[in-house]
Amino acid sequence: DVVMTQSPLSLPVTLGQPASISCRSSQSLAYKDGNTYLTWFHQRPGQSPRRLFYRVSKRDSGVPDRFSGSGSDTDFTLTINRVEAEDAGIYYCMQGTHWPRTFGQGTKLEIK
Amino acid sequence: EVKLVESGGDVVQPGGSLRLSCAASGFAFSASWMAWLRQSPGRGLECLATLNPDGSATGYVDSVKGRFTISRDNAKNSVFLQMVSLRADDTALYYCVRDPDWGAFDIWGQGTMVTVSS
Repeated sequence: DVVMTQSPLSLPVTLGQPASISCRSSQSLAYKDGNTYLTWFHQRPGQSPRRLFYRVSKRDSGVPDRFSGSGSDTDFTLTINRVEAEDAGIYYCMQGTHWPRTFGQGTKLEIK
Repeated sequence: EVKLVESGGDVVQPGGSLRLSCAASGFAFSASWMAWLRQSPGRGLECLATLNPDGSATGYVDSVKGRFTISRDNAKNSVFLQMVSLRADDTALYYCVRDPDWGAFDIWGQGTMVTVSS
């Protein structure tokens, strides 16, 4: 199985400051069709995860543009350029290129 | 409103069986790939099974292969997960999701809790 490794696992951030989460895969996520199936989710306490980005950088509607997704091959990043209170929660990356689909361990973003 | 509502979670003894259901509304269910995921403190998020729109193609993670079966009824806008030979490590919150694009799960239910314990 493809192992997805996120870092850091805990991310304390001051309001208004930037934040960055790394996600690395044990195999390339580039598929033969030219796409890279890497998705980011955000989960608030007591809620189901919500998709933020798919195919690395395609932003979902309603996701603020202070969020961005980037990367390729085995190395991916979720960046928030100015953290707001509503951004607290756990962020997960997930690969869909290989079966079974696998998630990272999650990164808990907390507001300092 | 786009919605997925799971049901059927319960407390069951090791070795027991359970059938989870998921009712879909607000989107083209019969044209959608669907999947079941679970989340637990020990195992995190896992994608368990996936099913194509007409129900003819499935995929299972090794940990549930041979024990869990995903199916659907497009006339009732529903997807199911039949689980047998349940083990303590199957204890988790089970989610039904839509899979529009190779794991880009865009619609999630609220989850249904399965507890396997004697």
